[in-house]
Amino acid sequence: DIQMTQSPTSLAASVGESVTITCLASEDIYGSLVWYQQKPGKSPQLLIYGATILEDGIPSRFSGSGSDTQYSLKINSLQPEDFASYYCQNGLSTPRTFGGGTKLELK
Amino acid sequence: QVQLKESGPGLVQPSQTLSLTCTVSGFSLMDYSVHWVRQPPGKGLEWMGRMKYDGDTYYNSALKSRLSISRDTSKSQVFLKMNSLQTEDTAIYYCTRDRSDYSSPFAYWGQGTLVTVSS
Repeated sequence: DIQMTQSPTSLAASVGESVTITCLASEDIYGSLVWYQQKPGKSPQLLIYGATILEDGIPSRFSGSGSDTQYSLKINSLQPEDFASYYCQNGLSTPRTFGGGTKLELK
Repeated sequence: QVQLKESGPGLVQPSQTLSLTCTVSGFSLMDYSVHWVRQPPGKGLEWMGRMKYDGDTYYNSALKSRLSISRDTSKSQVFLKMNSLQTEDTAIYYCTRDRSDYSSPFAYWGQGTLVTVSS
């Protein structure tokens, strides 16, 4: 099974700042990486798939990058609604493992 | 419009069996795979298993001995059954559908249903 390791587990930032979350796969997943955002009490929402493709309706301040085993999610100019939890996911193969998550909190 | 909705008991006693139903609309279960994902309170997402569009199933190895996923295509329903429940199985259970894009993202999610394991 492919293991997904996310870092950091938590992150404090201010509105307007930029942050980066990283995700490391235990083997090459050939860019098949998915990012989700989850707000308290809500179901996860798709942000980015194929490592870099922004889902329709997601603001352009979100961007994804990476290849092979290393991937990143960058959020530029944080907005109040961005403070949430973020998860990466192996999109290459079953089981569709998730990273442990990153909680982005307001500083 | 794609929709998924989970239903089932909110409370299950320890050692008993959990039965959940995911009722879908806006697509056919013979065209798309449906997955089950759970989330213990305050913790991360755990992929549990999936019902593929062709009827094939695949389970998380950690749950495989206790978990069964089935479907009724005529009723547009996918079922989850998990036995020998313990308190650590307390979680929100989601059903979700992937999409035919690269990396098969989980683009559609149900609202989730909270299952509490307690006597």
